[in-house]
Amino acid sequence: GAGVSQSPSNKVTEKGKDVELRCDPISGHTALYWYRQSLGQGLEFLIYFQGNSAPDKSGLPSDRFSAERTGGSVSTLTIQRTQQEDSAVYLCASSLGQGLRASGGFNEQFFGPGTRLTVL
Amino acid sequence: GIQVEQSPPDLILQEGANSTLRCNFSDSVNNLQWFHQNPWGQLINLFYIPSGTKQNGRLSATTVATERYSLLYISSSQTTDSGVYFCAVERGNNDMRFGAGTRLTVKP
Repeated sequence: GAGVSQSPSNKVTEKGKDVELRCDPISGHTALYWYRQSLGQGLEFLIYFQGNSAPDKSGLPSDRFSAERTGGSVSTLTIQRTQQEDSAVYLCASSLGQGLRASGGFNEQFFGPGTRLTVL
Repeated sequence: GIQVEQSPPDLILQEGANSTLRCNFSDSVNNLQWFHQNPWGQLINLFYIPSGTKQNGRLSATTVATERYSLLYISSSQTTDSGVYFCAVERGNNDMRFGAGTRLTVKP
């Protein structure tokens, strides 16, 4: 597609429920990133995928968070047993080429519109 | 971990004015990016600038990596420039840290 898409755009859930957030990257982009933006913590990097390689999960805030990327394209971020502090906007981005450039950083990223998660 | 500080936290300008936003970081980084988040929440990458100077229209950015800061210049500001400007620094271990942002309001 023309840009990064995310679904749903809004999700309201009850504390303790599991949620799945979806990201469709720009066609041809091999790197995919998840972030969250909350009032209390600002913008946080969560995880990134490079193609089909296993991601570094160290940025995920707890073991209730997991992410996968099927076929090197679509990604889902799953939050189990949601807590109120999980309420945030979850942003996905994608980029061309290698997620880590030779100098050790990320390529330019293009962001989706985000999923606003509210945990009651 | 690395600290990223942006200043000023808030900035109000009259349309047509120029401004400089600053990003200081506490340790060496591999790369730095500037982003604009518009009032509707959409994030847009402005510059990918680990060092040196880049220009794109009315916007330009300079990063002095040895002194651990980056500057974003906005000239002849327009109301559409309003929003929050974030810088983000990247280290080699899949670690990207954002500053708290500068909220810019451009008044007509």
